Amino acid sequence: DGGITQSPKYLFRKEGQNVTLSCEQNLNHDAMYWYRQDPGQGLRLIYYSQIVNDFQKGDIAEGYSVSREKKESFPLTVTSAQKNPTAFYLCASSIWGNTNQPQHFGDGTRLSIL
Amino acid sequence: QKEVEQNSGPLSVPEGAIASLNCTYSDRGSQSFFWYRQYSGKSPELIMSIYSNGDKEDGRFTAQLNKASQYVSLLIRDSQPSDSATYLCASGGRDDKIIFGKGTRLHILP
Repeated sequence: DGGITQSPKYLFRKEGQNVTLSCEQNLNHDAMYWYRQDPGQGLRLIYYSQIVNDFQKGDIAEGYSVSREKKESFPLTVTSAQKNPTAFYLCASSIWGNTNQPQHFGDGTRLSIL
Repeated sequence: QKEVEQNSGPLSVPEGAIASLNCTYSDRGSQSFFWYRQYSGKSPELIMSIYSNGDKEDGRFTAQLNKASQYVSLLIRDSQPSDSATYLCASGGRDDKIIFGKGTRLHILP
């Protein structure tokens, strides 16, 4: 089945630790996105990529890093510089990086601090 | 600052009635509009896209767009308990980003 796979579903981070969230898609979509959602809040854009080997900062990129070495994959690293990482992280993709195209979401990763 | 505004709710609607969800957006250049449904603890699921003024129907769902008033709505006919969720409105404009509202919680009363 075509779709977006995020792993792990739950992740715990220790103080000072970097953690990486995986996002893989087999939809042949060009554009991929990372959002953060806090309870009762909307989606906030962290990073996005419209093409392999290129990505742009979203509204809350500080403390996060990404790479886009393959079209199918867009991993997000939550660094120790992100002091409040507890949230629901959502990866999305769209056919191409045009806002007329809807974004489709993976199942999300819940990150908590130990 | 481009914004999409939604009433947070909860909006309570009796089973079988019409649920009406509303959204306003600030960017007059927005060209695309989306409604997502998000069940508690789950990720958003696209249910409707609309690009032109007027109504667009898909099963029990009707999206309505009025660009002059910068207003988008979603009607759910014959509401079912399974429709209880948070509904996110989103708009896409001239830049690279889709702007999401914070969502309206809908509760269908059995």
